[in-house]
Amino acid sequence: AQSVTQLGSHVSVSEGALVLLRCNYSSSVPPYLFWYVQYPNQGLQLLLKYTSAATLVKGINGFEAEFKKSETSFHLTKPSAHMSDAAEYFCAVSRMDSSYKLIFGSGTRLLVRP
Amino acid sequence: EPEVTQTPSHQVTQMGQEVILRCVPISNHLYFYWYRQILGQKVEFLVSFYNNEISEKSEIFDDQFSVERPDGSNFTLKIRSTKLEDSAMYFCASKVQTGADTQYFGPGTRLTVL
Repeated sequence: AQSVTQLGSHVSVSEGALVLLRCNYSSSVPPYLFWYVQYPNQGLQLLLKYTSAATLVKGINGFEAEFKKSETSFHLTKPSAHMSDAAEYFCAVSRMDSSYKLIFGSGTRLLVRP
Repeated sequence: EPEVTQTPSHQVTQMGQEVILRCVPISNHLYFYWYRQILGQKVEFLVSFYNNEISEKSEIFDDQFSVERPDGSNFTLKIRSTKLEDSAMYFCASKVQTGADTQYFGPGTRLTVL
C-alpha cells in the first residue's frame, strides 16, 4: 500500500527565510511524487512532480524538491519565502498499478510572517 | 488557460436527498477523477474514470455513489441518498493521458448535508 506522511501540520517562517516542507512516502514500487498547493477557496495547483527522471525537480514560483530514495523523502524547499507563498501544501504519490490515482498527505499550512 | 470547472460551488441538502455534482474537465482530457476532502482531513481518492467506465474506485465509493459522462463534456458525481458524513469538499480532476501526467483540479464543490 502507498502512503504519504507530511511532518508538521503548520510551518511558520519569516519573509525571506528558507521554506522546508517535509514529505515521506512509502511505496512498494517506484512512485511518482507530486507537490500541490491550495490557496484559500481555490482548487489544487501542481507545483512540481517527480517521474523518475532527474532527482532534483524544479517547479513554479521558485520551489524545488529532491527525491531521495534511500530516505523515501521528497521534501519541498524554497530559498526565500514570500508573503504570497502562504497556503496549504500537499504531497502526493501515485503508481502505475493503481490508475495513477493520487494518494495525498494530510497537508502542511505555510504561514509567512512579515 | 483552460481549466476544470465545477458547479455548484456550494450545495446544501437534507440527509437522504440525492445530489449531483457537476464538473467540466479540460476539453482534450481523457482521464477523470473525483476526490473529496472532509473538513480538517486529507484529500481522499473516490473514483477514476476512463473510456466511459470506472477504472478504479475506493472503499468510500459504495453503491450510493455513481459517476457519469453524459454528453462528452460534463462529468458528474451522484450521491443517491446523502448522509451527514458525506459533507465535504468534492474535487474533480482531469488529465490528458495515462501515466504520471499532471492532474488538473477544479475549485471544488462544498457539500453540506443537514
